[in-house]
Amino acid sequence: EVQLVESGGGLVNPGGSLRLSCAASGFTFSTYSMNWVRQAPGKGLEWVSSITSTSTYIYYTDSLKGRFTVSRDNAKSSLYLQMNSLRDEDTAVYYCARDGDLGATTLTRPDYWGLGTLVTVSS
Amino acid sequence: DIQMTQSPSSLSASVGDRVTITCLASQDISNYLNWYQQKPGKAPKLLIYDASDLETGVPSRFSGSGSGTDFTFTISSLQPEDIATYYCQQFDNLPPTFGQGTKLEIK
Repeated sequence: EVQLVESGGGLVNPGGSLRLSCAASGFTFSTYSMNWVRQAPGKGLEWVSSITSTSTYIYYTDSLKGRFTVSRDNAKSSLYLQMNSLRDEDTAVYYCARDGDLGATTLTRPDYWGLGTLVTVSS
Repeated sequence: DIQMTQSPSSLSASVGDRVTITCLASQDISNYLNWYQQKPGKAPKLLIYDASDLETGVPSRFSGSGSGTDFTFTISSLQPEDIATYYCQQFDNLPPTFGQGTKLEIK
């Protein structure tokens, strides 16, 4: 059974940092692109970042302005999102999602999603 | 960025009704469109990919159509468990972008 479990969220002061993790199981993690998508409270979905299976290609939404870094460790079947210089507007539930099409890059067919982890940026 | 405009923003319908949601892209995206269902407090669930292909395990009452800039999502016979917010999303161009969502309620 495919499972994605996010962790690392919490309350952080503006300007602070957090590192989110997404632990994958039930599939060959190293062959799939992965994505981060966020959802601010009461708002819609926003794509954050994508990383291909071997980290060859990495993409970010422009609004992050270099504050976030996505990475993966295929040996540990884990996806990460390092979030620096956090702002109030980064408050959201962060989801990791697998792209189901081999060779896909960015939200082509995100067939499995984690439950999400809540990041709250507030003083 | 490609803008995705869904209509309506909210919809109230009765069990058994045929429900239709539209999604308009600001430029031609071919068939590079997904549809999701999101229930309160839950993660999004992919229902339709490539505009009209039904994701594995999704009931056949859900369907999608369209290409270019105009897309339609249909529930042929609304069930109580279909109460959710539905989103379209394009993946033709970076960044992938979502519609604002359509909240579906039971009348």
